[in-house]
This record gives sequence, C-alpha cells and structure tokens, in this order.
Amino acid sequence: ELKVEQNPLFLSMQEGKNYTIYCNYSTTSDRLYWYRQDPGKSLESLFVLLSNGAVKQEGRLMASLDTKARLSTLHITAAVHDLSATYFCAVAPGLSNYQLIWGAGTKLIIKP
Amino acid sequence: DGGITQSPKYLFRKEGQNVTLSCEQNLNHDAMYWYRQDPGQGLRLIYYSQIVNDFQKGDIAEGYSVSREKKESFPLTVTSAQKNPTAFYLCASSIETGWNQPQHFGDGTRLSIL
Repeated sequence: ELKVEQNPLFLSMQEGKNYTIYCNYSTTSDRLYWYRQDPGKSLESLFVLLSNGAVKQEGRLMASLDTKARLSTLHITAAVHDLSATYFCAVAPGLSNYQLIWGAGTKLIIKP
Repeated sequence: DGGITQSPKYLFRKEGQNVTLSCEQNLNHDAMYWYRQDPGQGLRLIYYSQIVNDFQKGDIAEGYSVSREKKESFPLTVTSAQKNPTAFYLCASSIETGWNQPQHFGDGTRLSIL
C-alpha cells in the first residue's frame, strides 16, 4: 500500500526564517505534486515534479524531488505572513494520474 | 474565466436523506474527481471519471454515487447509506492525457448533518 507522510504536520515560525517541509512516500513514483490550501478554501497547485532531481522555484518556495530516496522537500526562504496555509504533497503511483495518494498536510503559521 | 464551480457552498442533510452536490467545469477537461476532506487529514478519493459515461470507485466510494452524462458535469450524491457524511467535499478535473498536469479544484461544498 502506498503511503505518503508529511512532516511536520504543524509548524509555527517567525517571519524571515527558513524552513523545510518533508514528504516521504513508500513506493516507486516519479511524479509528485505540491498544493496549497487556505482555511476553508480550495487547493491551489504549486509545483509539479516529474523526475529525479527536479527542482522548481516560485518566489520564496522551492520544491525538489529525490525519487531514489522517495523524498520531496518544500523549502521556504525568509518566510512572510502571506505564506501561512496548509501545504499538501500528493504522489501519483504507477502510470496513472488518476488515483493520487495525498499526505495529511502541513499546517504552516507564520507570525509577523 | 475557465474553472470549476461547486454548489452549494454549504449543505445540510437530514437523517435518511440523499443529497446531491453539483460540480461543473468549463476547462474542457476529460477527467473529473470527487474527494472528501476531514479535519487534519489529506484528501481521500471517492470517485473519478476519465470520460463521459464512465466512472471508477476510489478508496471510499461506499455510501456515495455519481454520474457523468456530460463532459462538463460530475454530480455526487451522498446517500443515506453514508453514516458519517459530515466533511468538506472537493471536486477536481484534469486533462485526460496530461500525466504531467496538476488537478484543478473547485471551492468545495461543506456538508453537515442536521
């Protein structure tokens, strides 16, 4: 059974600090997605990582994928309050894009 | 603007009642999905549809039903057999052959029991 584990599940940090969210998964996959969700809202796609060594950056967020270690990271640089949200990773097992397996989410609170 | 519209935003179900959640998309996507989200948890797949008139069960299909009569529409019925329906329901869509494309989500419907 494919499992996706995120850690930490909750993170409170000060503005200006750096931190990393980890997403581990239990079986072979070369496609991983990061999403952001604001409270009570929909999910917004942040990054699509498609191969080993893939790195994508958008503003203060940078995501990477290591398929050999079955690990993706979402790094936050010099955090700002607007990045407060819950961040989810999702993994596509096998060739199908239909049945993504989701992590439980990391709730990030950034204090001004 | 293209997107996914879910309605209603809030829905209340009485004991023994079936309720239907609407999901419409104008993105011309072939694939559509229904997810359930419980507090502090990730998304769980209820049903998905790759093309019109075809759909597949996800991980937690019991107590739910769907139809896909039109490409744009994928309604979800929460039946009385679903004993714990209180949750946030999210509809999504994606390009059928776009294995490198993310799923796009609607704004969700929050279902509660009266």
